[in-house]
This record gives sequence, structure tokens and C-alpha cells, in this order.
Amino acid sequence: EIVLTQSPATLSLSPGERATLSCRASQSVSSYLAWYQQKPGQAPRLLIYDASNRATGIPARFSGSGSGTDFTLTISSLEPEDFAVYYCQQRSNWPPSFTFGQGTRLEIK
Amino acid sequence: QLQLQESGPGLVKPSETLSLTCTVSGGSISSSSYYWGWIRQPPGKGLEWIGSIYYSGSTYYNPSLKSRVTISVDTSKNQFSLKLSSVTAADTAVYYCARHVYDILTGYYIPWDYWGQGTLVTVSS
Repeated sequence: EIVLTQSPATLSLSPGERATLSCRASQSVSSYLAWYQQKPGQAPRLLIYDASNRATGIPARFSGSGSGTDFTLTISSLEPEDFAVYYCQQRSNWPPSFTFGQGTRLEIK
Repeated sequence: QLQLQESGPGLVKPSETLSLTCTVSGGSISSSSYYWGWIRQPPGKGLEWIGSIYYSGSTYYNPSLKSRVTISVDTSKNQFSLKLSSVTAADTAVYYCARHVYDILTGYYIPWDYWGQGTLVTVSS
């Protein structure tokens, strides 16, 4: 089973700052890496898929990069509504199987 | 707009079977390339994929839960369901139903893009 490790566990930043979140896979996942945002009491929201493609309706300040085992989610300039927990997720090719990272909490400094 | 809604008991006794249903509205569960699945989240913890189903009935389960999980689909009602047997306190979680897209022929893939609001299931006597 592929394990995803996210870092840091908690990131404290101020609105307007740049956020860089990391996700490392225990073995190559090619570009099959997605990012989600989750706010308290809400379902996760898809932000990025295939490592760098923004999902429908996601603002341009969110971007993803990486391939193989190392991936990054960047939020270029934090808005107040961006403070949440972020998860990465990978899928196996076939049959479909999915695993998630443990999450990074982005909190207001 | 596609909507998913979970329903089922919020309290299940240990050793019994957890049963949940997801009702899909605003779209057909039988659409080509759409897969439907269950994901859970224990309180204060991360996300765990439980399993997925295609409208044809093909199922794919998390190996760690496979022996206890059954996912089924009822296309006439636009619903799919989860059964998790022999539950323990460790199965206490918010259970989400969700959709992902995968075209076997082209490889086109969109991960979990539509989610239900989630339902808390507590395992306790």
C-alpha cells in the first residue's frame, strides 16, 4: 500500500502570505495526485487533480506541482477563507484504490 | 447540479451491521464513467476510502476493510448503499458518499468531485 506523508502537520501563516504544503508518496504515484480542502463540519472539496489541474471553480491562487513521489500545493496569497485542513490523495491505476495523506492544518497566525 | 445525500441510523451496536444509503439527485447514477463510493472520517482524524461501485455492479474495496464491506447499487432508485459488518468502536466516523470519474478507454480521470454532506455513525451499546 502506498503511504502519503504530508508536511508540515500544522502551518501558521497570515492572510496575504504564500503557503506551501508538501505531500510525499512512499513510491511513485506518477501524476495521480489530488488535493482537497476541508473546513470544519464540511465535506472535503476537490482543489487539484492529476498533480496540477485545478478543479472546476477553484481560484487561480491555488496551484499544484510535482510528479513521482514529491508534490506541492501552493496558495499564492492567502485569503481568510483558505484557512482549513488540506489533504492529498493518490489512486492506483487499476483496479481503483485510493489513499489519503494525514492532512495539513493551515491556521491563522 | 449533482447532489448526494447519505441516510441511515446514527447509532449502531457493536458486532452489528452498519447500513447506509446514498441518494443521488440532479443526475443519473447510470451515467457512463461515473463511479460511486464511500469514504469515512473518524472524529478528528483523516479520510479513509472504503470502496466504490459502478452502475453495472462492479465493486472495488479497500483491502483493509474488504472482508466486512458490501456496496450495492439500485439504479431504479438512483441510490447506492454500504453495509459494514461486525462493527466496533473503531468504525465510529462520519461517512461520506461521493463520486469520481474514470473512463477506462481514454484514462480520463477526475477524483472525488461531488460529496454528500456526511453522516455521523456512532458504534456504541
